[in-house]
Amino acid sequence: QVQLVQSGAEVKKPGSSVKVSCKVSGDTFSRYTINWVRQAPGQGLKWMGGIIPVFGTASYPQEFQGRVTITADKSTSTAYMELISLTSEDTAMYYCANRHQYLDSFNLWGQGTMVTVSS
Amino acid sequence: DIQMTQSPSTLSASVGDTVTISCRASQSNSGWLAWYQQKPGKAPKLLIYKASNLEDGVPSRFSGSGSGTEFTLTISSLQPDDFATYYCQQYNLFGQGTKVDIK
Repeated sequence: QVQLVQSGAEVKKPGSSVKVSCKVSGDTFSRYTINWVRQAPGQGLKWMGGIIPVFGTASYPQEFQGRVTITADKSTSTAYMELISLTSEDTAMYYCANRHQYLDSFNLWGQGTMVTVSS
Repeated sequence: DIQMTQSPSTLSASVGDTVTISCRASQSNSGWLAWYQQKPGKAPKLLIYKASNLEDGVPSRFSGSGSGTEFTLTISSLQPDDFATYYCQQYNLFGQGTKVDIK
């Protein structure tokens, strides 16, 4: 059974960076398009970007351009999301999710990684 | 930029009720709309894709309809497990969410 397994919770200082991982287990990594979605406490879902590991190309919304980097390591079947220049506004649950190529929907989600930014 | 407007933001209902949630896109999108269910502390779960297609394993009491800019999620005969928050999604944008709680 395929799963997306994310790294554990993080507590960071303002101004620092965080790198969250998402490992595909139970299936071939190249079949997946990994996206990142975040959810601030009590708020809705916001897309942060995605990557097609086969090609290594990532795309980001303007809101996060320059502050987020999404990468993929095919040798370990793991995708990463790095967010820099953290502020308290970045305190949120971060999810990785597979985006179905042809149906434009997120059909498999990781369990989430809580990132808390606090001085 | 495309905007997604979901309504209502909160909906109170009883077990056995039929509930309807609406999602309006600011631009027509050829039917590419998905619906998700999210329970507290859990990741979202895909229910419906391409407006009206039920994801594998999702109970048939969930249905989706609509086209162009207007879409609807209907839950027939609401069950205790259905009290949750529901989101629509089009391209890279999610609706604001509809919380279905117990009346």
